[in-house]
Amino acid sequence: GQQLNQSPQSMFIQEGEDVSMNCTSSSIFNTWLWYKQDPGEGPVLLIALYKAGELTSNGRLTAQFGITRKDSFLNISASIPSDVGIYFCAVRLTGKLIFGQGTTLQVKP
Amino acid sequence: NAGVTQTPKFQVLKTGQSMTLQCAQDMNHNSMYWYRQDPGMGLRLIYYSASEGTTDKGEVPNGYNVSRLNKREFSLRLESAAPSQTSVYFCAGGQVYAEAFFGQGTRLTVV
Repeated sequence: GQQLNQSPQSMFIQEGEDVSMNCTSSSIFNTWLWYKQDPGEGPVLLIALYKAGELTSNGRLTAQFGITRKDSFLNISASIPSDVGIYFCAVRLTGKLIFGQGTTLQVKP
Repeated sequence: NAGVTQTPKFQVLKTGQSMTLQCAQDMNHNSMYWYRQDPGMGLRLIYYSASEGTTDKGEVPNGYNVSRLNKREFSLRLESAAPSQTSVYFCAGGQVYAEAFFGQGTRLTVV
């Protein structure tokens, strides 16, 4: 099946540090989505990207739709303890919504 | 506006038992999805329904059946539960070419 490669798998950082994670695929996609899952909750949409090269911000979060349409990046600036959770990338594929394996982020106060 | 509501939130089954997980959305979305989440495996699509009256298999459909009862409701049935189906199950709703919105999840344990 279709596979998204998300890295890193986990991160343990100090509060205040910036965070970068990415998602790559061997296929081209027209939509890239980034979700966050808090412990014990369902995933919540952070940023949606619909155009190659697009750079979109949501507060301290910035995501980019790769120019090749095969990858996407998510950056978090000045991390805080509530940034803890699992971050997923996702793509649209003929009506389906396919997710990466997730990046688990832990923030040390 | 509840968004996507899943019931039950927790369930323990014995091997071989059957049960139905319920999902309802009040956002008038055409598409609905069922995922399972296992540690280190991300969210894997079980079944999806692009519109009322249609259902299609996802990545891991074996052992499951679904029913799109109407536009609001999409249920997932385990006919004969197995320990390998112990997981957290998420339902989601969305439009075909846009983002999806998730419920709170059902935590299922099969013993």
